[in-house]
Amino acid sequence: QQPVQSPQAVILREGEDAVINCSSSKALYSVHWYRQKHGEAPVFLMILLKGGEQKGHDKISASFNEKKQQSSLYLTASQLSYSGTYFCGISGANNAGNNRKLIWGLGTSLAVNP
Amino acid sequence: EPEVTQTPSHQVTQMGQEVILRCVPISNHLYFYWYRQILGQKVEFLVSFYNNEISEKSEIFDDQFSVERPDGSNFTLKIRSTKLEDSAMYFCASSEGVGLADTDTQYFGPGTRLTVL
Repeated sequence: QQPVQSPQAVILREGEDAVINCSSSKALYSVHWYRQKHGEAPVFLMILLKGGEQKGHDKISASFNEKKQQSSLYLTASQLSYSGTYFCGISGANNAGNNRKLIWGLGTSLAVNP
Repeated sequence: EPEVTQTPSHQVTQMGQEVILRCVPISNHLYFYWYRQILGQKVEFLVSFYNNEISEKSEIFDDQFSVERPDGSNFTLKIRSTKLEDSAMYFCASSEGVGLADTDTQYFGPGTRLTVL
């Protein structure tokens, strides 16, 4: 049930682009993206919903591919501040019930160098 | 901007001792969570809490663990008899708890690093 993230690690030069994927073998209803810097808490980036539009936040955007049961996070014109580990979390809940835990992928380590 | 706070930032304890980790969720949030992250590994769900009771828990959350909302602001995680493998970063999170679970954003506190010797 754990989502699979790829790649495991990316090294970029400042200004380059990257794509991080998060896929699931089970039906996806939403994907939550977070970034975690070393020694800090995960910081929420965005939520992608099944059937929803591509979302964006500054130069970071994401999409949801229902056929592939996958969400992709796009980082364009990367900045040094983008460095960190990116996690996707899935809920698979699709309801207003009480089960709100997130199941996390193993993370993608991104290093942006000058 | 409202944020989740956690105390202490670092806790060192001897194996077998009890520890209590404290969290103050965002004030208007209804759902609270504990996650843990062993160094360099993924974040693991422990428990969620809603309406003064456990909503869901993982297999990690055994009888050694308990959660409590002792007053209107604090949310605590107690580990009764710590083991070496309990050493990890423990994150508290909270969410509004309104509407669909899929759109309910969880906001994380800065974490408590627990070291069991």
